[in-house]
Amino acid sequence: AQSVTQLDSQVPVFEEAPVELRCNYSSSVSVYLFWYVQYPNQGLQLLLKYLSGSTLVKGINGFEAEFNKSQTSFHLRKPSVHISDTAEYFCAVTEINDYKLSFGAGTTVTVRA
Amino acid sequence: EAGVAQSPRYKIIEKRQSVAFWCNPISGHATLYWYQQILGQGPKLLIQFQNNGVVDDSQLPKDRFSAERLKGVDSTLKIQPAKLEDSAVYLCASSPREDRMNTEAFFGQGTRLTVV
Repeated sequence: AQSVTQLDSQVPVFEEAPVELRCNYSSSVSVYLFWYVQYPNQGLQLLLKYLSGSTLVKGINGFEAEFNKSQTSFHLRKPSVHISDTAEYFCAVTEINDYKLSFGAGTTVTVRA
Repeated sequence: EAGVAQSPRYKIIEKRQSVAFWCNPISGHATLYWYQQILGQGPKLLIQFQNNGVVDDSQLPKDRFSAERLKGVDSTLKIQPAKLEDSAVYLCASSPREDRMNTEAFFGQGTRLTVV
């Protein structure tokens, strides 16, 4: 069975600074990987996904993530954050023959002026 | 395209009472999920339907939780009787899943349950 570990529970960052959110996964088979964002009092919204092909994936709102199979990681980055990026971010994984979507515990990003 | 609809948005009940949540997935989506998200944690899968059949309910506390998806469209999740630890946001999501490459799940806004 797959599992996801998000290494940082909270990440404070200043506006216009870069941010990186770390995600590691565990699985014995090939996986698909996702990052979701949850703004206050809203549902989860997909930021980006890795299914196959290029290991660098670009998503919405200027976010990107890199899949590293050898390190079983899928870290999320943004070169310059805005106040509006304040939210909770979840890494998720599904094994390609399972379709069960498992989430990490989440990383709260707080952007300060 | 309309999104995943959930109701109610908020519910407060006393322990040992029963409660039901409703979900209307995106039209045509074969897969429907119910997740429980306790404050400060990531969503935990409770049950997954493929059309009107259950694919995975291994983490559903079956002594008090039940779910159904009539005609492979709408779904209801019920808790009876509720416990204090059931306080959480209950998220419904749907996914086309007909194509293995189309694996994105679309989430509703959730129902926030408070058990007092």
